[in-house]
Amino acid sequence: RKEVEQDPGPFNVPEGATVAFNCTYSNSASQSFFWYRQDCRKEPKLLMSVYSSGNEDGRFTAQLNRASQYISLLIRDSKLSDSATYLCVVGGGGATNKLIFGTGTLLAVQP
Amino acid sequence: AAGVIQSPRHLIKEKRETATLKCYPIPRHDTVYWYQQGPGQDPQFLISFYEKMQSDKGSIPDRFSAQQFSDYHSELNMSSLELGDSALYFCASSSYGQVYEQYFGPGTRLTVT
Repeated sequence: RKEVEQDPGPFNVPEGATVAFNCTYSNSASQSFFWYRQDCRKEPKLLMSVYSSGNEDGRFTAQLNRASQYISLLIRDSKLSDSATYLCVVGGGGATNKLIFGTGTLLAVQP
Repeated sequence: AAGVIQSPRHLIKEKRETATLKCYPIPRHDTVYWYQQGPGQDPQFLISFYEKMQSDKGSIPDRFSAQQFSDYHSELNMSSLELGDSALYFCASSSYGQVYEQYFGPGTRLTVT
């Protein structure tokens, strides 16, 4: 079982739709949580850090539930340029700063 | 804003050859991480350095070694290359004050033939 689990998708949605991604992690000692976005054959780009209080950045809202070890990302009013793979990433468990990646969820926004 | 720089961007080597990948972190970032991403897979942590000392080690083969230099750039040395080493190799950097936010370079695509 992977340490970070995501639905691989693909999620095919029309422009303007709201889409939600979910993720669970197994290491309760994890200390940091992120969503990264990765376009085909490119580097992962940090989308947002995720905090227990929840945080919002424009059309993107992220939530963390430590008790359930669950992370979510909501994208509102999706745009064609949102098409990418969204990676749920967990880090900082114990003495390490290494990042553990989920397998990613592919989002395809259709015109 | 300046980003992480990696060189070369593409590298083709034959089996049993050696390769050296270079990474220049974002200015004032003191920690460097190396990740390997195979085809259709998620990035896997290899090794990290903080202030020129190895800070953590992941699933890095014994054939690979790395170091961080006084100017904070890092090099990943790969010897006795195997076909299975073909992958994207990403370097990421972070600042101690924001130790968990890692910013990735564009990667080096290594092809072993």
